[in-house]
Amino acid sequence: SQTIHQWPATLVQPVGSPLSLECTVEGTSNPNLYWYRQAAGRGLQLLFYSVGIGQISSEVPQNLSASRPQDRQFILSSKKLLLSDSGFYLCASKQGVGGTQYFGPGTRLLVL
Amino acid sequence: GDSVTQMEGPVTLSEEAFLTINCTYTATGYPSLFWYVQYPGEGLQLLLKATKADDKGSNKGFEATYRKETTSFHLEKGSVQVSDSAVYFCALSDYYGGSQGNLIFGKGTKLSVKP
Repeated sequence: SQTIHQWPATLVQPVGSPLSLECTVEGTSNPNLYWYRQAAGRGLQLLFYSVGIGQISSEVPQNLSASRPQDRQFILSSKKLLLSDSGFYLCASKQGVGGTQYFGPGTRLLVL
Repeated sequence: GDSVTQMEGPVTLSEEAFLTINCTYTATGYPSLFWYVQYPGEGLQLLLKATKADDKGSNKGFEATYRKETTSFHLEKGSVQVSDSAVYFCALSDYYGGSQGNLIFGKGTKLSVKP
């Protein structure tokens, strides 16, 4: 089965600083990869998804970006963080169109 | 477009009580349906799923039946435990619904079980 790693687990950053969150996947190849954000007490918002290396689809316009430099690596970045970027960021992986989606443990980001 | 609606929380129950969390959906195609659970401070875990009408998904005492006639996928458990306290998300995946097969989530229902 798939294992999804995310780091860091927790991050506190000042407004205006850059961001890089990393997600790596084990136990599968050529997965669809996803970044979600979960604001406190709210549901899940799909930010980006990728069906292959270098292929990124953005669901919500914002100051975040995503990249997929390797098959099982997915990176979420920002050049300048905003207070509203605070939240719980979840990476997910799915094998194929009909596959089950699995989630990583998440990164909690607090922007001050 | 496709959507998922689940009952608003929070839901507070006593241990050994019966649990129902309602979930209804709208979909263009033939969706697969899922329940995910999120324990405090953790990512989401797949709890159960059903891929076609009348399928029943079950896991850890939880059950949900895919009802196409009522477009529902209600989550039930006969006797909840304190350890079931978590947020529960209903979701669908509908490749033919314009979302590329990506999961569409409900807003989540927070369950608290008191001893």
